[in-house]
Amino acid sequence: GQQVMQIPQYQHVQEGEDFTTYCNSSTTLSNIQWYKQRPGGHPVFLIQLVKSGEVKKQKRLTFQFGEAKKNSSLHITATQTTDVGTYFCAPDTGNQFYFGTGTSLTVIP
Amino acid sequence: DAGITQSPRHKVTETGTPVTLRCHQTENHRYMYWYRQDPGHGLRLIHYSYGVKDTDKGEVSDGYSVSRSKTEDFLLTLESATSSQTSVYFCAISESWTLQETQYFGPGTRLLVL
Repeated sequence: GQQVMQIPQYQHVQEGEDFTTYCNSSTTLSNIQWYKQRPGGHPVFLIQLVKSGEVKKQKRLTFQFGEAKKNSSLHITATQTTDVGTYFCAPDTGNQFYFGTGTSLTVIP
Repeated sequence: DAGITQSPRHKVTETGTPVTLRCHQTENHRYMYWYRQDPGHGLRLIHYSYGVKDTDKGEVSDGYSVSRSKTEDFLLTLESATSSQTSVYFCAISESWTLQETQYFGPGTRLLVL
């Protein structure tokens, strides 16, 4: 079955440091979405990547889709306390929708 | 935020009792989903619906049943709750099944089974 690995599971950074989370799939993906969940909140859609090698930016967030469409990353530049939360990837294999296990980001002021 | 509500928002129940969680949407989206969220497991799909009276199983459907008699309502039932079903339950909606469409999540229901 589909194997979706998201690493790291937890990350603590000092405010101002960069942060990256990775999502790796054992199979080729149709596309991938990223969601953010604030503590005590619900997942909220951030972005969708469809094309091989695609890179999208949202202010300090950079999303990449691998050339082979088997992995993706989310990079946050100069983290702020508002970035705290859990970031989930949601790969689409074309058959079923999965969520990664998430990376919980703590930002230390 | 999309018009999705879940009720109740919190519930404490005892092992062996039936529990029904409700998801209500005002967006007229065709697809509705129930997920559970547990530490270390992320979000796991329980059941989903692709229309009125049309439902199917997800990754972790054992011990759960669903019903959808109206477009706007999707019910999740735990026929006989067990402690392993203690979790946070999220409802989500989307306009279509493919991931070309965003999923919008409700606020969640925290269920504790004693």
